Amino acid sequence: EPEVTQTPSHQVTQMGQEVILRCVPISNHLYFYWYRQILGQKVEFLVSFYNNEISEKSEIFDDQFSVERPDGSNFTLKIRSTKLEDSAMYFCASFRDYSSEQYFGPGTRLTVT
Amino acid sequence: AQTVTQSQPEMSVQEAETVTLSCTYDTSENNYYLFWYKQPPSRQMILVIRQEAYKQQNATENRFSVNFQKAAKSFSLKISDSQLGDTAMYFCAFMKYTSGTYKYIFGTGTRLKVLA
Repeated sequence: EPEVTQTPSHQVTQMGQEVILRCVPISNHLYFYWYRQILGQKVEFLVSFYNNEISEKSEIFDDQFSVERPDGSNFTLKIRSTKLEDSAMYFCASFRDYSSEQYFGPGTRLTVT
Repeated sequence: AQTVTQSQPEMSVQEAETVTLSCTYDTSENNYYLFWYKQPPSRQMILVIRQEAYKQQNATENRFSVNFQKAAKSFSLKISDSQLGDTAMYFCAFMKYTSGTYKYIFGTGTRLKVLA
């Protein structure tokens, strides 16, 4: 069973620090996503990535956020200067095309203190 | 803009009984996909069932089935013979292809508790 992996599972950081959340999507997938879920709330779209560029981003995804797929396997989300309100679960997801299932990673819990 | 509404924040059901979770959505699109995801306490997002809007037949996966009413923009999930392991948050989601990418929108979720 193919799976999306994410590291670390839990990251604690101080306000103002940079964090990089890592994801390894399924190898033959073409579309990549980052979502955020603040505790007890709904899953919110952050950004989609296709063909080595951002396809769409939400209003949450401001200049403090960036994504990269540096080596064809990893897919990273960087937050340059974390704020308290960035504390959330961050999910990576990928899929091949519209006919296939979107696979979610297990998530990274980010705690900003 | 597309929206997905889940009007039941919390529900409970007795083990072995049947429960239906509601979801409505708003779109002017004709081709799209609908999903139900389960999020247990581990917070992993697990696909339960998907429905293509062009298919009239309701999707079924074992104990899980949907009632898809395209004209009414309604997509409810029925869980039959509920089990304790079904206790989780359930999210309804809408997907369409737009501007070169697939866009997913999630509802606010329904917390389901299965009682022994």
